[in-house]
Amino acid sequence: GDSVTQMEGPVTLSEEAFLTINCTYTATGYPSLFWYVQYPGEGLQLLLKATKADDKGSNKGFEATYRKETTSFHLEKGSVQVSDSAVYFCALRKNAGNMLTFGGGTRLMVKP
Amino acid sequence: DAGVTQSPTHLIKTRGQHVTLRCSPISGHKSVSWYQQVLGQGPQFIFQYYEKEERGRGNFPDRFSARQFPNYSSELNVNALLLGDSALYLCASSGDRGWGTDTQYFGPGTRLTVL
Repeated sequence: GDSVTQMEGPVTLSEEAFLTINCTYTATGYPSLFWYVQYPGEGLQLLLKATKADDKGSNKGFEATYRKETTSFHLEKGSVQVSDSAVYFCALRKNAGNMLTFGGGTRLMVKP
Repeated sequence: DAGVTQSPTHLIKTRGQHVTLRCSPISGHKSVSWYQQVLGQGPQFIFQYYEKEERGRGNFPDRFSARQFPNYSSELNVNALLLGDSALYLCASSGDRGWGTDTQYFGPGTRLTVL
């Protein structure tokens, strides 16, 4: 079946450091890929998405590129802020249907 | 516009009881999905409803059921609660441009604790 694997956290960075959170997936066909963010005590918010190979999703300084050859969708940000502290979830969706398959989440802690 | 709303925010039940969770989608959205998020894990898909019909079901026992109403709001019901049902239950809605094609927007969730 479909699955998503994320790097385990927590990831602890100093403010203005470079961020990479790795995400790889297993799925047949051509899924759409997503990053969601969950702030403490809140639901999930869509951060960015990509629907086909080589697409780059971007939002709020975060970027991720859909790499079909490596089945990856790594999240990057050039300079993190304390306010970026949250749990980040990578997810895929097969194009037939609306079900999201999530990774286990990666907690990011940014220290001033 | 209001986002996805869920009620109640928190709920405490004892083993063997029944619970009903409610979700109101974003105005104009016809699809509602339910997810279970156990502490420290990613959300797991439970159900999807579109136009009041069940369109998808995850690997959950028959104790879990749901329905969607004519106004597109939805209820998730769980019978014979077990300790392992303690989780954050998330509802997500998506737009009406076509089933399976739209971004899902999540509500804040209902935190269920089973004692």
